[in-house]
Amino acid sequence: GAGVSQSPRYKVAKRGQDVALRCDPISGHVSLFWYQQALGQGPEFLTYFQNEAQLDKSGLPSDRFFAERPEGSVSTLKIQRTQQEDSAVYLCASSPLGQGNSPLHFGNGTRLTVT
Amino acid sequence: KNEVEQSPQNLTAQEGEFITINCSYSVGISALHWLQQHPGGGIVSLFMLSSGKKKHGRLIATINIQEKHSSLHITASHPRDSAVYICAARGGADGLTFGKGTHLIIQP
Repeated sequence: GAGVSQSPRYKVAKRGQDVALRCDPISGHVSLFWYQQALGQGPEFLTYFQNEAQLDKSGLPSDRFFAERPEGSVSTLKIQRTQQEDSAVYLCASSPLGQGNSPLHFGNGTRLTVT
Repeated sequence: KNEVEQSPQNLTAQEGEFITINCSYSVGISALHWLQQHPGGGIVSLFMLSSGKKKHGRLIATINIQEKHSSLHITASHPRDSAVYICAARGGADGLTFGKGTHLIIQP
């Protein structure tokens, strides 16, 4: 596709449910990032992949959060036993290279509401 | 950990005014991004800077590496410029540190 695609666009989950959020980066992009954006706040880094390798997962808030990118393209962010504080917009971004000065392309995000 | 500060947090201006949004960061970076986010929308990358100045239409971004400071300017502002503007610093580990954003409202 032309841009970064995230699905679903909206997700409502009951507390305790598991959810899986998908990110389709731009084809061929090496780097993929996940961010969490709480209402009224700037995005916060969660994790970073270079191809299939997860190089940094220091931003994942707890062991309930898990991300994978098994074939170096599509990535899934999984949240187990969701809690109300997990409610946020989850943003995915990709960039063509692994270097720090490579441009970023963002998806529209998945808005997760945990009730 | 890089600390990224933006100012002002909120800005309301009249159509046609010259707008400046500031961003400062605490440690060396490989690039600084200026992003635009409309309500309910995704994030659009406006600029990526590692030095100097870039211009795109009515938008200008500058960065001073020595002072660890960047500015985003909007000339002849228009109501459609109303959005949240976010600066994000990209460090050596390739993670991004975001500012909290500047909520800009341009009134007609």
